[in-house]
Amino acid sequence: RKEVEQDPGPFNVPEGATVAFNCTYSNSASQSFFWYRQDCRKEPKLLMSVYSSGNEDGRFTAQLNRASQYISLLIRDSKLSDSATYLCVVIAGNTPLVFGKGTRLSVIA
Amino acid sequence: GAGVSQSPSNKVTEKGKDVELRCDPISGHTALYWYRQSLGQGLEFLIYFQGNSAPDKSGLPSDRFSAERTGGSVSTLTIQRTQQEDSAVYLCASSLRDSRGQGARRAEAFFGQGTRLTVV
Repeated sequence: RKEVEQDPGPFNVPEGATVAFNCTYSNSASQSFFWYRQDCRKEPKLLMSVYSSGNEDGRFTAQLNRASQYISLLIRDSKLSDSATYLCVVIAGNTPLVFGKGTRLSVIA
Repeated sequence: GAGVSQSPSNKVTEKGKDVELRCDPISGHTALYWYRQSLGQGLEFLIYFQGNSAPDKSGLPSDRFSAERTGGSVSTLTIQRTQQEDSAVYLCASSLRDSRGQGARRAEAFFGQGTRLTVV
C-alpha cells in the first residue's frame, strides 16, 4: 500500500460547483497534514495545514479523520483559477514530507 | 528575498558532466528538503536536512547524487556524470520544523521555483 494515496482525477467541474478530494495515508503515526496546490510547470504552494478539529479558509475546508486515516479538501463555489493539481502531504515523526501524486482539478466555464 | 531561492533556474548539460544546484532556504528555517519531479509525475524525495542531525539520504537514487548543507543554511545538490534520466525539475523546500516535530504550523514547508535540469 502506498504511503499516501489520492485519486488522480481529473475532476472536471463547472464554475460554482462544490468539489471534494480525499487522501488516505498508511502510517498511523502521522501527525502533520497539509494540502498544497501545484499549477502546471510551477512549484507546489502551501494551500492549508489540516488541523485535528478541521479548519476553513474562505471557500476551502480541510478535515482530518484519524480513525479512518484520511484527510479531505472541500472547495466551494469553484473558480476557474482553482484549476490545478492538489497534493496531499503527510509527516510522521522526523520523516520527510510524504507527497501524494496529486488530484487534478479542471474548473470549466 | 523572503522566499526559498534556487539557482540556476534552468540548466542544460551534456551527458557525463557534473552539475551543482543551489538552494538558499528561508532565513531561520532549520529543515531543508530536496525533491525532484519529472514531467507529469509526482514529487520524488531525495534528501532531508534537519538542523545538525545527520541528513536523511534515503531518497538519493544513486551514488552519483550527493548534497551538503553548509552552516545550516545554503544547500548544494551535486549530480556527477549526469545521465538523461536525471532530467527533471529539482525542487528545494524549507521549514521551521525541528527534530521534536512540533506542530503543523512549524512543519509548513515552502518551495523554491526549482531548477529545470536537461541532460542532452
